[in-house]
Amino acid sequence: GAVVSQHPSWVICKSGTSVKIECRSLDFQATTMFWYRQFPKQSLMLMATSNEGSKATYEQGVEKDKFLINHASLTLSTLTVTSAHPEDSSFYICSASRSSGTYNEQFFGPGTRLTVL
Amino acid sequence: GDSVTQMEGPVTLSEEAFLTINCTYTATGYPSLFWYVQYPGEGLQLLLKATKADDKGSNKGFEATYRKETTSFHLEKGSVQVSDSAVYFCALSPYNQGGKLIFGQGTELSVKP
Repeated sequence: GAVVSQHPSWVICKSGTSVKIECRSLDFQATTMFWYRQFPKQSLMLMATSNEGSKATYEQGVEKDKFLINHASLTLSTLTVTSAHPEDSSFYICSASRSSGTYNEQFFGPGTRLTVL
Repeated sequence: GDSVTQMEGPVTLSEEAFLTINCTYTATGYPSLFWYVQYPGEGLQLLLKATKADDKGSNKGFEATYRKETTSFHLEKGSVQVSDSAVYFCALSPYNQGGKLIFGQGTELSVKP
């Protein structure tokens, strides 16, 4: 159990277009989902925390108007990169949180590779 | 702010060698500590965790002990296998911040037969 999927697994788009990435918890309900960005050979950087039915909480330095997050249900969160530019090219990873007794364990999706031309 | 620092890679070992990957952290309060593993082409998986000082997390032969006095959570394995080749991330979850994770930079491990 505790499987998280992301779609698409990779996407190539032209500069100036918008791209939507979906994150789904397949076999559990997740009140909280997280979005991370990972650069090559580098760590994961938390972008935002998404709670079902409320506005996302963005980390310092992350443009909320550029990275739109919607958490419409307990199993789905979406990240939309608006007016994408080459510097937005990266590996985007989501995770979904599930209570495991004393703490909330995060389960990670496989990631989405975004390339902006 | 809270942060995690882990030893730089890549680390290359021969099969059956002893593994240590150092991890130290800076945090206010009492964070929970984690090691995640990312195998090639796959998503991050929780390897082990410790939620309070002196706890030892263990899984698949890997161990790490939450040392508050040295603010460390070093990962160890007595005898590595080729299948352990992956990127290992140390992470902390600050107390009472909704479960967010702060990751170290990752350490790539390559085990040769």
